[in-house]
Amino acid sequence: DTAVSQTPKYLVTQMGNDKSIKCEQNLGHDTMYWYKQDSKKFLKIMFSYNNKELIINETVPNRFSPKSPDKAHLNLHINSLELGDSAVYFCASSQASEGIREQYFGPGTRLTVT
Amino acid sequence: AQKITQTQPGMFVQEKEAVTLDCTYDTSDQSYGLFWYKQPSSGEMIFLIYQGSYDEQNATEGRYSLNFQKARKSANLVISASQLGDSAMYFCAMREFSFSGGYNKLIFGAGTRLAVHP
Repeated sequence: DTAVSQTPKYLVTQMGNDKSIKCEQNLGHDTMYWYKQDSKKFLKIMFSYNNKELIINETVPNRFSPKSPDKAHLNLHINSLELGDSAVYFCASSQASEGIREQYFGPGTRLTVT
Repeated sequence: AQKITQTQPGMFVQEKEAVTLDCTYDTSDQSYGLFWYKQPSSGEMIFLIYQGSYDEQNATEGRYSLNFQKARKSANLVISASQLGDSAMYFCAMREFSFSGGYNKLIFGAGTRLAVHP
């Protein structure tokens, strides 16, 4: 019973390609997030959707486009991949209310751009 | 702006001993939450413990406890009776909540790599 799942777990691709990462949560949460963990392990939020509506967009290049077909799914599409996009991308979900005591993370997708 | 600082890039501890991982935070909000996550070498983010700013008692979860000192703005993680499986990266995070936006975004510290020695 995976709470937050991501596919694929590993993604190796060449510069200039377009790729997508998919995320699904079965927790009934209203809000989903994408975080990026760089090579120095630093984690930073990229996007958040609340019930299919984009609510956080943290100065991310417009080559990155999140899409939420419904509140249980949040996908990340990346155009014209660059070497600097190599990172681990985590999907997460939580309730939208104040006072949440946990944010659930997916297993991560390790993207390597060559 | 909210900020989380973890000043220990690496720590080591002998098996069965206790270890404290430091975390300080900066916020002007009265209501906030602090989280600790563990990231083993396999890469997943494992939630360990949570402390709310209005919680009167320090949070505990098994061998994990959070030493919350509000006036000093610190939320240190204490791991008792360390085990080899505790070797991992540990991240402190603060929740930033927006009523209007309906989100709880986490702001992370840089992490501390803990090595448990036999």
